[in-house]
Amino acid sequence: DTEVTQTPKHLVMGMTNKKSLKCEQHMGHRAMYWYKQKAKKPPELMFVYSYEKLSINESVPSRFSPECPNSSLLNLHLHALQPEDSALYLCASSQILAGGPWEQFFGPGTRLTVL
Amino acid sequence: KNQVEQSPQSLIILEGKNCTLQCNYTVSPFSNLRWYKQDTGRGPVSLTIMTFSENTKSNGRYTATLDADTKQSSLHITASQLSDSASYICVVSPSMEYGNKLVFGAGTILRVKS
Repeated sequence: DTEVTQTPKHLVMGMTNKKSLKCEQHMGHRAMYWYKQKAKKPPELMFVYSYEKLSINESVPSRFSPECPNSSLLNLHLHALQPEDSALYLCASSQILAGGPWEQFFGPGTRLTVL
Repeated sequence: KNQVEQSPQSLIILEGKNCTLQCNYTVSPFSNLRWYKQDTGRGPVSLTIMTFSENTKSNGRYTATLDADTKQSSLHITASQLSDSASYICVVSPSMEYGNKLVFGAGTILRVKS
């Protein structure tokens, strides 16, 4: 299984809502990533988890809260978002062993719209 | 400043024709360069990964070249198909490590028409 799955595919939420994005992989990868991509722009790294621990936080606002409950799952909890947070949110995973370079496998993304 | 620049910004070609996309980078240190294909509203899919010691790598109708001396790469698409219509993103990694921050280009939007 060389696939990263993300749910939901689309999400519309108000600025007072709380929602979560989910990501799952079964490739045995121990590094997982969240990216944000605005239209016609390249992806921007948000968070990196390695061995289920947060290793990189690219100064993301606290209204985005990541969680890695186990080695296969990655969540992104959303609360009090702003309209400018509307974007495609991509999850990715990769190997973490010495050597490399290790390919990052991306999921299909969740299209988020904040009203 | 680490940067990846791609050209052209967009390209329209006829089905069956070949095309070449360009990537120039100023990322230092340099570990590897990747080409991704991204369909609209979907996640990027890796086409090739090359380290500094590799000059060329193929994946079906896609052939990537790398000149680490001039810091240039190209992606050549042979006998284009309608399904090749997508954004092609050049990505440079400054490190072999898993969590390093990849430097993304803005992409070239390719449209193949019949």
